[in-house]
Amino acid sequence: DIQMTQFPSSLSASVGDTVTISCRASQNINNYVSWFQQKPGKAPTLIIFAASSLPAGVPSRFSGGGSGTDFSLTIRSLAREDFATYFCQQSHPTPPLYTFGQGTHLDLK
Amino acid sequence: QLQLQESGPGPVKPSETLTLTCSVSGGSVNARMYYWDWIRQTPGRGLEWIGSIHNSGRTYYNPSLLSRATVSIDISQNQFSLTLNFVTAADTAIYYCARRGFASSDVSWSTSPSWFDPWGQGTLVTVSS
Repeated sequence: DIQMTQFPSSLSASVGDTVTISCRASQNINNYVSWFQQKPGKAPTLIIFAASSLPAGVPSRFSGGGSGTDFSLTIRSLAREDFATYFCQQSHPTPPLYTFGQGTHLDLK
Repeated sequence: QLQLQESGPGPVKPSETLTLTCSVSGGSVNARMYYWDWIRQTPGRGLEWIGSIHNSGRTYYNPSLLSRATVSIDISQNQFSLTLNFVTAADTAIYYCARRGFASSDVSWSTSPSWFDPWGQGTLVTVSS
């Protein structure tokens, strides 16, 4: 299985700050990474796909980067609605077993 | 806009079979370049992918479920389902259904980067005697 190690597990920041969350894959997965945001009691929502692509409707303050084994999610100029939990996820097809990072809880300092 | 909605039994007893259904609206499960997936979430294990189905009937499963899971699709009803046999307390979780889309639209589409979007709202399944 491909393991996704996500860090930090929690992060405190203020409105207007820039934060970066990282994920490391246990093997080379090229750009087969997505990022999700989850708010309490809600389902995760997609914010980045294919490592760096932004879905329609997601604010441009979100950006993704990386390739191979190291990936990052950066949120610039944090807005109040960005305080949530974030997950990375790999979709490499070999093997077809899709795994998630353990999550990063971003809270208001 | 595509929407997914899970439905299921609520509480289930140990050793019983769990069946969940995901109803799809605003789009078709017969769309060629998508898979339809089940994912579950617990506080202890986080998000765990369960399995996936294409309208062709091709399926993939997480081997950690030891062949207890079956995903099926009903194109006429525009829905897909998850059956999980011999449940235990460890299967207590919020279960989500999701559509999986792909980056490529050429012949290699199914091996290109994919992502889960959208997700259903989730349904809590509790396994307890």
